[in-house]
Amino acid sequence: GQNIDQPTEMTATEGAIVQINCTYQTSGFNGLFWYQQHAGEAPTFLSYNVLDGLEEKGRFSSFLSRSKGYSYLLLKELQMKDSASYLCAVRDEGRAGKSTFGDGTTLTVKP
Amino acid sequence: NAGVTQTPKFRILKIGQSMTLQCTQDMNHNYMYWYRQDPGMGLKLIYYSVGAGITDKGEVPNGYNVSRSTTEDFPLRLELAAPSQTSVYFCASSSRQYTEAFFGQGTRLTVV
Repeated sequence: GQNIDQPTEMTATEGAIVQINCTYQTSGFNGLFWYQQHAGEAPTFLSYNVLDGLEEKGRFSSFLSRSKGYSYLLLKELQMKDSASYLCAVRDEGRAGKSTFGDGTTLTVKP
Repeated sequence: NAGVTQTPKFRILKIGQSMTLQCTQDMNHNYMYWYRQDPGMGLKLIYYSVGAGITDKGEVPNGYNVSRSTTEDFPLRLELAAPSQTSVYFCASSSRQYTEAFFGQGTRLTVV
């Protein structure tokens, strides 16, 4: 099975940088996703890491260390619209690439 | 492109009633999923499908059934609704094992 841990809540200031951590213990691993979910809306894809290292995409970056079972999502130049829940999801090795989701980290950006 | 479309958006059911949550996608994706999300929690996989005619149980399948007669449609059936099934239900699809999932807008279900 999969066990995924994320902090429940984080608060940061507009314009700042915030790092959201995700640790996982899994019986199989085939990549890690980060999704963003605004309140009352559907999750939307942010990033996917399957190899160790940093993936950068605009203001968002995601890092993966498979040996440590650890990932983080880095958000730079925070904007008010970044207030949302951030979901870490681990894809298993079976067919259909099922993903197990963490409970999400609710980020509040303050002026 | 509509993407993934779910209906209805909201529904109130009485205990013991049944209903079908509809999900359709127009992206020709082979893989489709049903998740439920309880308040403050992540997504739990109910059922998934790798193609028409093929379905399998996820993490929390009890009380639900699915079918996949076409590539586009993946309805979720609730039989004998219970208060524990009050949740937000998301349908999602993806094109291959290693690509991201696209989600519908969700169905908010309340069982009273």
